Amino acid sequence: GEQVEQLPSILRVQEGSSASINCSYEDSASNYFPWYKQEPGENPKLIIDIRSNMERKQIQELIVLLDKKAKRFSLHITDTQPGDSAMYFCAANGDNSKLIWGLGTSLVVNP
Amino acid sequence: AQTIHQWPVAEIKAVGSPLSLGCTIKGKSSPNLYWYWQATGGTLQQLFYSITVGQVESVVQLNLSASRPKDDQFILSTEKLLLSHSGFYLCAWSRDWGASQNTLYFGAGTRLSVL
Repeated sequence: GEQVEQLPSILRVQEGSSASINCSYEDSASNYFPWYKQEPGENPKLIIDIRSNMERKQIQELIVLLDKKAKRFSLHITDTQPGDSAMYFCAANGDNSKLIWGLGTSLVVNP
Repeated sequence: AQTIHQWPVAEIKAVGSPLSLGCTIKGKSSPNLYWYWQATGGTLQQLFYSITVGQVESVVQLNLSASRPKDDQFILSTEKLLLSHSGFYLCAWSRDWGASQNTLYFGAGTRLSVL
């Protein structure tokens, strides 16, 4: 099957703390895992991605980890700020140039 | 720089009426184009993709159709709207073949309400 499970669906954290979102996928052939951020009323924008030849990638306060054996990948946001509040979507590539998307995580950073 | 423009910004339509949404990409020749649908508060569902003029592949069947009449234009349409068509429609493009390997650049979207 082609599914990406994303948890939690809602995540509330205090400003300055870390936030973690976890995703799991089913297709062992998946080799590309992007993360998109969508602010209210806006379009989704790519914030970080990781390919299967890597286990860890960091861009500033964003860290992505990939465990191919367990078919899991995760996004960690360190030192969260109110501007990080948004919907976050993980995805994994599937058949026919399709991205399989998670259901999204609503991150709320409380000041 | 590449730009993507979607129209209209929002539509309120009656059940059973026709619909046409448009998307234009400037600054990139032969882009790969995609239509996505998002229910309010929901995830992203890919509807169609196109790698070249005149060629469109359907990903899910939602009583919608898509066409690519020009290299830089992607159209989403239906002759008869259903209540379930309400939502946020996003056009996107990517540089190379395979959204699975390349960044998707989304347009600002069209918010559709079917009453």
